[in-house]
Amino acid sequence: DVVLVQSPLSLPVTLGQPASISCRASQSLTYSDGNIYLSWFQQRPGQSPRRLIYKVYNRDSGVPDRFSGGGSGTDFTLQISRVEAEDAAVYYCMQHSHWPHTFGQGTKVEIK
Amino acid sequence: EVQLVESGGGLVQPGGSLRLSCAASGFAFSNSWMSWVRQPPGKGLEWVAMMNPDGSEKPQIDSVKGRFTISRDTARNSLNLQMDSLRVEDTAVYYCVRDGGRSWGQGTLVIVSS
Repeated sequence: DVVLVQSPLSLPVTLGQPASISCRASQSLTYSDGNIYLSWFQQRPGQSPRRLIYKVYNRDSGVPDRFSGGGSGTDFTLQISRVEAEDAAVYYCMQHSHWPHTFGQGTKVEIK
Repeated sequence: EVQLVESGGGLVQPGGSLRLSCAASGFAFSNSWMSWVRQPPGKGLEWVAMMNPDGSEKPQIDSVKGRFTISRDTARNSLNLQMDSLRVEDTAVYYCVRDGGRSWGQGTLVIVSS
């Protein structure tokens, strides 16, 4: 199975400051069609996960542009340019280039 | 508006069975990959099983093979998960998910306990 390792697991951030989360895969996530199926999800307390980013850097509809995704090969990042109070949540990376689809452990973003 | 509404969760004893259902609306269900993802209380996410649009492909994680069966009813726009021989470690919120996580339901809680 593909293992996704996120860091850090806890991220205290001051409002208005940037935040960055890393996701490292145990093997290449390039699918046979040439795409990299790496997504990022946000899960606020008591809510279902919500997809923010798909195929590494594509933002889902309605996602604020302060969220951006990047990376290649086995190293990927989610960046928040200026953290707002509503961004307090757990963030997960997920790959679906290989079965079984797997998630990272989650990174808890807390507002200082 | 896309809606995924799960039902069927509850408390069941180890070795028992439950059938989860997901009512889908607001998108082309017949053209979508559909999945079940679970989350044990206070823990992370695990992709359990999925099914392609015509039902010919339905991979599952090893820990549920032979116990869980995923199915879909295109006429009723519904996705199902038959869970047999339940174990304590199957306790989780089960989410119905469209495509590669594009949309999620609100989840239904399954508790396996004696």
